[in-house]
Amino acid sequence: NAGVTQTPKFQVLKTGQSMTLQCAQDMNHEYMSWYRQDPGMGLRLIHYSVGAGITDQGEVPNGYNVSRSTTEDFPLRLLSAAPSQTSVYFCASSYWTAGPNEQFFGPGTRLTVL
Amino acid sequence: AQSVAQPEDQVNVAEGNPLTVKCTYSVSGNPYLFWYVQYPNRGLQFLLKYITGDNLVKGSYGFEAEFNKSQTSFHLKKPSALVSDSALYFCAVRGNDYKLSFGAGTTVTVRA
Repeated sequence: NAGVTQTPKFQVLKTGQSMTLQCAQDMNHEYMSWYRQDPGMGLRLIHYSVGAGITDQGEVPNGYNVSRSTTEDFPLRLLSAAPSQTSVYFCASSYWTAGPNEQFFGPGTRLTVL
Repeated sequence: AQSVAQPEDQVNVAEGNPLTVKCTYSVSGNPYLFWYVQYPNRGLQFLLKYITGDNLVKGSYGFEAEFNKSQTSFHLKKPSALVSDSALYFCAVRGNDYKLSFGAGTTVTVRA
């Protein structure tokens, strides 16, 4: 199993550019989520999905879009990048049966917006 | 709204000494509590969780955590710390919804 994979590992954007952060998992997990990690603020939930075709907003959804067309993939789109979106982004997945299960995290994408 | 507080930004201990990382939480309904560890330039790794039952939860790498409902706390402990335990530790809580809320993290440094 590759677990949770994320691409790219590093990205530099200019203000106003758009891009998609890719996330895939091969564990057949129903639940997938995106977080951003900023110094002194822990991880904050951006968007999450409990299955293909189902997504919902987390704590900090503005400026980001997601879709879930397959169980395996959960891409995060930045529509018009802003310097405030400079952060490390983590994708995570878990089973969604009989209560809360531990999440498996990808290695992260470090994004810089100039 | 649910929240997690980790009152210490940093914890420094000598190798072989006990390690405690503090966490308090606020949530509606029954709390589901987790501890994760992050090593430099890596994603988070699961250590342990509390859902129900025994207040002392044992997890990976010799870590354990004690759930205290009256104090709304879930402190992480290790009886004898190793230099390799040096990392960033996160406490997280989930209530009766799908969302996991993380604390700001505590940096643990274990000196040889």
